[in-house]
Amino acid sequence: DTEVTQTPKHLVMGMTNKKSLKCEQHMGHRAMYWYKQKAKKPPELMFVYSYEKLSINESVPSRFSPECPNSSLLNLHLHALQPEDSALYLCASSQDWLQQGSYTGELFFGEGSRLTVL
Amino acid sequence: ELKVEQNPLFLSMQEGKNYTIYCNYSTTSDRLYWYRQDPGKSLESLFVLLSNGAVKQEGRLMASLDTKARLSTLHITAAVHDLSATYFCADLRVGTYKYIFGTGTRLKVLA
Repeated sequence: DTEVTQTPKHLVMGMTNKKSLKCEQHMGHRAMYWYKQKAKKPPELMFVYSYEKLSINESVPSRFSPECPNSSLLNLHLHALQPEDSALYLCASSQDWLQQGSYTGELFFGEGSRLTVL
Repeated sequence: ELKVEQNPLFLSMQEGKNYTIYCNYSTTSDRLYWYRQDPGKSLESLFVLLSNGAVKQEGRLMASLDTKARLSTLHITAAVHDLSATYFCADLRVGTYKYIFGTGTRLKVLA
């Protein structure tokens, strides 16, 4: 199984709503990522979890709150977003460089959640 | 500042032609990744290049890595319309989780 599954695929929310994006992988990867991508731009790193611990937070506003409940799941909780937060949110996973075995660092992306904030 | 530069940014080419996309990176990384993105879709891994001189081929695409020159190339042979997409290269320093993505090359293959 080389899939990363993201839900929902599309989300429309108002600025006062609270919603969550979910991501799941069963490849045994211990590094999981949230990226934000605007149209015609490369993905921008938001958060990285390594072994279920937050390893990187790229100065993301607190209205985005990540959570890694276990080694297979990654959530992104959204609250009081702004219209400029509308984007494609991509979850990805990879082997962690701390894992034993041959490490390639290849990122596996989910299909993405397209978020529109009204 | 760590950065990855791709050129060209846009490429419009005729079917059947050959072309090369260039990816210059500024870290001392020894690994480089290529991804493809179709419009409105996610990124799909194409190639993982893990050492100097690495060459990988898949169909009409061939990627190579020269760590001394800090350069990777993605060569397209006899392009077909199905190759139309945006191609990103990404650099990673082992021991970190920060992939530095290039600006992307938007390829359009004309029939």
